[in-house]
Amino acid sequence: DSGVTQTPKHLITATGQRVTLRCSPRSGDLSVYWYQQSLDQGLQFLIQYYNGEERAKGNILERFSAQQFPDLHSELNLSSLELGDSALYFCASSVDIAYNEQFFGPGTRLTVL
Amino acid sequence: DAKTTQPPSMDCAEGRAANLPCNHSTISGNEYVYWYRQIHSQGPQYIIHGLKNNETNEMASLIITEDRKSSTLILPHATLRDTAVYYCIVKGNEKLTFGTGTRLTIIP
Repeated sequence: DSGVTQTPKHLITATGQRVTLRCSPRSGDLSVYWYQQSLDQGLQFLIQYYNGEERAKGNILERFSAQQFPDLHSELNLSSLELGDSALYFCASSVDIAYNEQFFGPGTRLTVL
Repeated sequence: DAKTTQPPSMDCAEGRAANLPCNHSTISGNEYVYWYRQIHSQGPQYIIHGLKNNETNEMASLIITEDRKSSTLILPHATLRDTAVYYCIVKGNEKLTFGTGTRLTIIP
């Protein structure tokens, strides 16, 4: 158990819909990272937040957005969903800003039908 | 532009040491070598990292060559639960970039 929690565990939805994935970092960790893992793309970095502020963007689509709240939990919003958005979405956290030792949550499996 | 090269798959007998190689010939002086593993569809798990000295923790040992162009992750007594994809990552202050890793299978 990494100490990072993600909800929901599974999500099934239809194309064109919008979903929100939630992540609670480890106690004391200020950085939250979101990753997408699909079969053909491997594990891809999407975005990082540190203490409520966006710090870095990776391969995140414009249809996706995220935020980190004052209590440090984070949400990833995915809209206008397409079949290709079906993937595992992982949240990770670390104590600092520099992408060092990251602790990953169990992931949310999103299926778009 | 991959910074690391790993064999796609390896087998190891249960109870033996598993030695996973990684080549990173273009590593810069301020870049660390990180190892993570991912057990079937679970979140990746941090294992160990190092700069130039060998490192050991409760999970594994990391041996980095003197020229820092390659390293080896050693799991001293592999168990069936060590079956996973192992990622070798070179990073400075930028994001973690996961490659395709080595799929390690522990054979009973």
